[in-house]
Amino acid sequence: DAKTTQPPSMDCAEGRAANLPCNHSTISGNEYVYWYRQIHSQGPQYIIHGLKNNETNEMASLIITEDRKSSTLILPHATLRDTAVYYCIVMGSSNTGKLIFGQGTTLQVKP
Amino acid sequence: EPEVTQTPSHQVTQMGQEVILRCVPISNHLYFYWYRQILGQKVEFLVSFYNNEISEKSEIFDDQFSVERPDGSNFTLKIRSTKLEDSAMYFCASSVRLAGSNEQFFGPGTRLTVL
Repeated sequence: DAKTTQPPSMDCAEGRAANLPCNHSTISGNEYVYWYRQIHSQGPQYIIHGLKNNETNEMASLIITEDRKSSTLILPHATLRDTAVYYCIVMGSSNTGKLIFGQGTTLQVKP
Repeated sequence: EPEVTQTPSHQVTQMGQEVILRCVPISNHLYFYWYRQILGQKVEFLVSFYNNEISEKSEIFDDQFSVERPDGSNFTLKIRSTKLEDSAMYFCASSVRLAGSNEQFFGPGTRLTVL
């Protein structure tokens, strides 16, 4: 599975959009980009995933560049409850499901 | 909304004792996982399980660890002889594993403290 690179930390003002970048320059054609988050010491929470098209759900939007070498997770209106560590994970469809968590990005939403 | 549950929420044990951590995955899910997170460190994969067999295990998952789905609803992680370094949060997860889609739903975790 391709390696990902994320900034260690970011701040965002409450009510503003939070844009979290991820680089995955070695991603291959059958690998998906997944985003999870972990609030404090809770279990990780699935947010969204995509292959090459942009995706949106009730939590967030995922923008994947045309060359698929990077992506951005967008939380459109961040709230204090969105303060968490956000993980970008690349995984192939033939994988046994093992998620490899990096250090992620610690997003601090400030009032 | 269905959720993964784990018991106990906190387990304290003496070094060398056996512990069993229990998980109830979401009912229509077919793939099951255990992860652990030592305090202040990354979440680490331990094992994946499907069709009553281990699909993949990490180097951490040595002979002291075993998993079982004893009754079609519970999914357990057993540590035979606990060590101090086994102290961590242990998370269970499950997924439907649709083709190309592997949203894993995590439980709240069991905090294991080995004294």
